[in-house]
Amino acid sequence: QKEVEQNSGPLSVPEGAIASLNCTYSDRGSQSFFWYRQYSGKSPELIMFIYSNGDKEDGRFTAQLNKASQYVSLLIRDSQPSDSATYLCAVGGRGAQKLVFGQGTRLTINP
Amino acid sequence: NAGVTQTPKFRILKIGQSMTLQCAQDMNHNYMYWYRQDPGMGLKLIYYSVGAGITDKGEVPNGYNVSRSTTEDFPLRLELAAPSQTSVYFCASSYPRGGVTDTQYFGPGTRLTVL
Repeated sequence: QKEVEQNSGPLSVPEGAIASLNCTYSDRGSQSFFWYRQYSGKSPELIMFIYSNGDKEDGRFTAQLNKASQYVSLLIRDSQPSDSATYLCAVGGRGAQKLVFGQGTRLTINP
Repeated sequence: NAGVTQTPKFRILKIGQSMTLQCAQDMNHNYMYWYRQDPGMGLKLIYYSVGAGITDKGEVPNGYNVSRSTTEDFPLRLELAAPSQTSVYFCASSYPRGGVTDTQYFGPGTRLTVL
């Protein structure tokens, strides 16, 4: 059973600080990694994807991947109240075109 | 483009009733997916399709059926609804390029309650 684990939170971060969200996965063959943001009552929307080891930056967001440790993280710099949401980590394998989702981490940014 | 659309937005069913959740996409994506999301949980894959006429089971297929007669539409059928099927249902689609799993785009969801 392929598993993706996230700390369900809630994670509380002051406005302007860095929020750090973590995810581990069990399948060593995993090749694609996604972070989705989900506001309450809404559908998941893609924040970032990463395929290679290292860091990938997009604006205030940085995704970090360490395949040896089977670990992927999302950093949100200069956190804003609008970043308050549940963040879902999703992991994909080779060729199967299926994603396995973690249970999500609920993030609250305090003004 | 409307992207991925789902109908209805909300539905209440009685135990034993049946219904079809509709999903359509206008992005010419060949892959489509159905997920359910229980409160405070992640998404569980119910069924997916790699193209018209081809479907396969996901992690939690029991109690559901699907068909894919066109590229655009991927309806999910619930037969003999049970309280355990109370959930939010999301449809998604993707257009894989290369060998890795590609980004999936989600519809707005259908909130289903079975009483």
